Amino acid sequence: GAVVSQHPSRVICKSGTSVKIECRSLDFQATTMFWYRQFPKQSLMLMATSNEGSKATYEQGVEKDKFLINHASLTLSTLTVTSAHPEDSSFYICSARDRVTIYFGEGSWLTVV
Amino acid sequence: GQNIDQPTEMTATEGAIVQINCTYQTSGFNGLFWYQQHAGEAPTFLSYNVLDGLEEKGRFSSFLSRSKGYSYLLLKELQMKDSASYLCAVSGGSYNTDKLIFGTGTRLQVFP
Repeated sequence: GAVVSQHPSRVICKSGTSVKIECRSLDFQATTMFWYRQFPKQSLMLMATSNEGSKATYEQGVEKDKFLINHASLTLSTLTVTSAHPEDSSFYICSARDRVTIYFGEGSWLTVV
Repeated sequence: GQNIDQPTEMTATEGAIVQINCTYQTSGFNGLFWYQQHAGEAPTFLSYNVLDGLEEKGRFSSFLSRSKGYSYLLLKELQMKDSASYLCAVSGGSYNTDKLIFGTGTRLQVFP
């Protein structure tokens, strides 16, 4: 079964609205989670590192005010895409590490219309 | 800087063996991962190497040479379902050892 769970798997929203994506670690605690974005036929690009109880660390070029990350507990991180635009349409994936390896969530397809 | 290189595309025949190479230059190193990703799905874990040498797991094997900054994924007895993208990722940014830096991925097509 899934070790890291994401929700929703698909979401369509109107331009200008905000969308929240959840990432949960199942059966283990993750003090750190990672958020990636993947455009069609491209590889995963790390957006930010989510740290439980502290501010997220964003990669260069990623707008922290647009992509809000909250890591409120040891099993949950959320990514909120604020004021979404069509160019934000992408596949968003989170990951977390247990004692053995790094697992990915199922991914969330975001379409902004 | 951070740089991970893989071939963009490869093709192979069902039943054959294929080797996907990955070279890397990163500021830190805490291991190298290989993931398989089918179109529209999240990556699934295949292998992890942190020490030099070969790790074998069924039809898949992965090799690492840290001194050369080189790894390969070996797929044996290819099946049609192995058609997918294969992602090489290095763990270990300068400040966060769990941070994964991905290569561009190699799209493998297996033909009958």
